[in-house]
Amino acid sequence: AQSVTQLGSHVSVSEGALVLLRCNYSSSVPPYLFWYVQYPNQGLQLLLKYTSAATLVKGINGFEAEFKKSETSFHLTKPSAHMSDAAEYFCAVIPGGTSGSARQLTFGSGTQLTVLP
Amino acid sequence: DAGVTQSPTHLIKTRGQQVTLRCSPKSGHDTVSWYQQALGQGPQFIFQYYEEEERQRGNFPDRFSGHQFPNYSSELNVNALLLGDSALYLCASRTTGTGVGETQYFGPGTRLLVL
Repeated sequence: AQSVTQLGSHVSVSEGALVLLRCNYSSSVPPYLFWYVQYPNQGLQLLLKYTSAATLVKGINGFEAEFKKSETSFHLTKPSAHMSDAAEYFCAVIPGGTSGSARQLTFGSGTQLTVLP
Repeated sequence: DAGVTQSPTHLIKTRGQQVTLRCSPKSGHDTVSWYQQALGQGPQFIFQYYEEEERQRGNFPDRFSGHQFPNYSSELNVNALLLGDSALYLCASRTTGTGVGETQYFGPGTRLLVL
């Protein structure tokens, strides 16, 4: 079964520092990969997605992620953290070669990002 | 344009009771999926509805059932509630017929507490 592993359940960075949130997937076929953000007491908002086009994907709020097949990774980065980035971040996958209705997302366990002043 | 809406926002039930959660998809969307997010975990797929039929199901018992109406809105029903059913229940919608990478839009969720 497809899965994603998020390394580090909690990450703390200082305001203005680099944000790096790690995600690795398990798949023999390149999957479709997503990063979602969840603010307290809210639903999930899509930050960016990889769908087999460019390997470097730019998303909203200055975030980007790079698909690295050799490392089976899709890490999320942002050059300079802002206080408003404090939230929980989820990596998710849809298996490669999926068609029809079999498009449900499989989520990682999440990484809570804290931004220190 | 309203996004995905869910009701109620919060709910408290006791063990053994039954609960119904409701979801209205984003305008123009015809496919609805339900997810359960336990505290401190990522969302887990429950099932997906399209054309008023359950199309795919995750690893959840039959106590979890659903329905989709002609206007694409959906309900999630849980019978014989257990303490472990306490979670945030998320509804997501999208349009069927486009590429696999199309975005699912999530609602704010219903937080269910079972006592």
